[in-house]
Amino acid sequence: GNSVTQMEGPVTLSEEAFLTINCTYTATGYPSLFWYVQYPGEGLQLLLKATKADDKGSNKGFEATYRKETTSFHLEKGSVQVSDSAVYFCALSQGGKLIFGQGTELSVKP
Amino acid sequence: KAGVTQTPRYLIKTRGQQVTLSCSPISGHRSVSWYQQTPGQGLQFLFEYFSETQRNKGNFPGRFSGRQFSNSRSEMNVSTLELGDSALYLCASSPGTARDDGYTFGSGTRLTVV
Repeated sequence: GNSVTQMEGPVTLSEEAFLTINCTYTATGYPSLFWYVQYPGEGLQLLLKATKADDKGSNKGFEATYRKETTSFHLEKGSVQVSDSAVYFCALSQGGKLIFGQGTELSVKP
Repeated sequence: KAGVTQTPRYLIKTRGQQVTLSCSPISGHRSVSWYQQTPGQGLQFLFEYFSETQRNKGNFPGRFSGRQFSNSRSEMNVSTLELGDSALYLCASSPGTARDDGYTFGSGTRLTVV
């Protein structure tokens, strides 16, 4: 079946460090791919999305490219801030539902 | 534009009871999906309603049910609560008419079963 695998956390970085959170997926066909972020005590917020191969989603300095050949959608940010501390979820959309990875907790220290 | 509203935010119930959670989607959105989030199982899809009809269903027992009203508001019901039903229940709203519609989530209802 369809699935999403993310790198395990927690990931701890210093402010202004480079961030990569790996995400790979298994799916039939060509699903849309998403990154969601969850801050403590809140629901999920859409961070970015890509709907076809080689699309690059970007938002608030975060980027991810839909790589069909490696079935990946890695999240990157050039310079993280303390306010980026949250849990990040990679997800694919297929058949009218989202399938999520297990989430990666990011902690950014000043 | 108002976001997705879930009520109540917190709920404590006793084993064996039933519970009803509510979700009001973004105005104009016709699709409402429900997800369960637990530390052990992560985020799992429960079901989706579109124009008052269940369009998709996840792999949950029949104790979990839902419905959608003509104004697109949705309710989720869990009967005969078990300790393992303790979770954050998230509702997601979308237009529901395109393959890659964005999903907007509410803040969730945190259910604790004691």
